[in-house]
Amino acid sequence: DVKVTQSSRYLVKRTGEKVFLECVQDMDHENMFWYRQDPGLGLRLIYFSYDVKMKEKGDIPEGYSVSREKKERFSLILESASTNQTSMYLCASNSLPGSGYGYTFGSGTRLTVV
Amino acid sequence: TQLLEQSPQFLSIQEGENLTVYCNSSSVFSSLQWYRQEPGEGPVLLVTVVTGGEVKKLKRLTFQFGDARKDSSLHITAAQPGDTGLYLCAYTNFSGGYNKLIFGAGTRLAVHP
Repeated sequence: DVKVTQSSRYLVKRTGEKVFLECVQDMDHENMFWYRQDPGLGLRLIYFSYDVKMKEKGDIPEGYSVSREKKERFSLILESASTNQTSMYLCASNSLPGSGYGYTFGSGTRLTVV
Repeated sequence: TQLLEQSPQFLSIQEGENLTVYCNSSSVFSSLQWYRQEPGEGPVLLVTVVTGGEVKKLKRLTFQFGDARKDSSLHITAAQPGDTGLYLCAYTNFSGGYNKLIFGAGTRLAVHP
């Protein structure tokens, strides 16, 4: 079964900490995405990547950065965590270059910033 | 970025009932996708509809794409507790030379035994 694996299911961090959320896919997908999910707002795109070392801003990139050093791994970085970044973070990947079809999601990381 | 409006926001029904949830917009889409997200998990793709008027069936789930490709519906027949979850519709946004998937806020369905 194809998989997108997020390193942590639950995280609690303090305000001002630097936070790393890791995502690994085993499907040799070119495209990877980071979303956050908040009640009533649905999924909002933070950053995405169509190739190694390549990144593009999504709709809400402020306060975040990303890293893609290897094809299978896409990391989301909160440079200085704040309470308004408390959320569910979802990583996804898909195979067709430049396509929005058929995303495979990880199980999510629920981050609480205190 | 166009808006996808999903309705209702919440739906609580008894096992065996039928239901329909909606995904609407004022914009025309080349395709729409439906996902289901169970508690504590990521969304899972159910179906992609591409052609206006298209109907796709997945067991007890029937998906329809509007003739004008501005809206879609999901009908569940004889709902079961296993259908409980968040149902999300999404479209592909072409922007800046890249394709991105944009989601609606979802319909949260609870099916009680």
